[in-house]
Amino acid sequence: DQQVKQNSPSLSVQEGRISILNCDYTNSMFDYFLWYKKYPAEGPTFLISISSIKDKNEDGRFTVFLNKSAKHLSLHIVPSQPGDSAVYFCAASYVYNQGGKLIFGQGTELSVKP
Amino acid sequence: DAGVIQSPRHEVTEMGQEVTLRCKPISGHDYLFWYRQTMMRGLELLIYFNNNVPIDDSGMPEDRFSAKMPNASFSTLKIQPSEPRDSAVYFCASSSSGTSGVTMGGELFFGEGSRLTVL
Repeated sequence: DQQVKQNSPSLSVQEGRISILNCDYTNSMFDYFLWYKKYPAEGPTFLISISSIKDKNEDGRFTVFLNKSAKHLSLHIVPSQPGDSAVYFCAASYVYNQGGKLIFGQGTELSVKP
Repeated sequence: DAGVIQSPRHEVTEMGQEVTLRCKPISGHDYLFWYRQTMMRGLELLIYFNNNVPIDDSGMPEDRFSAKMPNASFSTLKIQPSEPRDSAVYFCASSSSGTSGVTMGGELFFGEGSRLTVL
């Protein structure tokens, strides 16, 4: 029972273009969403988050959009850079967090070509 | 500050052998998580602790898996006996309810992972 789904295992974009990574969730109780970035042989690192009371959060080149009615969120990277090539994980958590428990998706591998 | 430290980084073992993975969380963090990364399921939560007490172990796949946290600075994940389907990267992560705010989802800090191969 995959509550958080990333249906695209990989994505390839040209440097300078926009990268859009998508994530769907099934549990309407989720109220906080995060994106993590993972380089090979390293652990995931936090990238950006959004609360369910918002529909957009921006941090430099990274913007996360949340569509609660569709149970969908997306991460936009503009402009994409070769250093952005990594695996991106979407994660979600509940009201009052259930103690920090995050549910992750399968990940999307982004490749940004020079 | 040192991050989350995991050992070993790589482990190759034969089916039926016992495997022990170790984790040292960030000092002062009161939550510790064990995740497993596979291609099919991404990052799966296996178990997590709060103040050294196991809170939710519903993700532990079988009785062959066990985890302990004897003190605030050390945790182990043990697989006995190991099977080839246990091959994966196992991550330990920690967080603090005091800084990132548990009620807001919380930011987890991950170790570099332990890559397990069971032949």
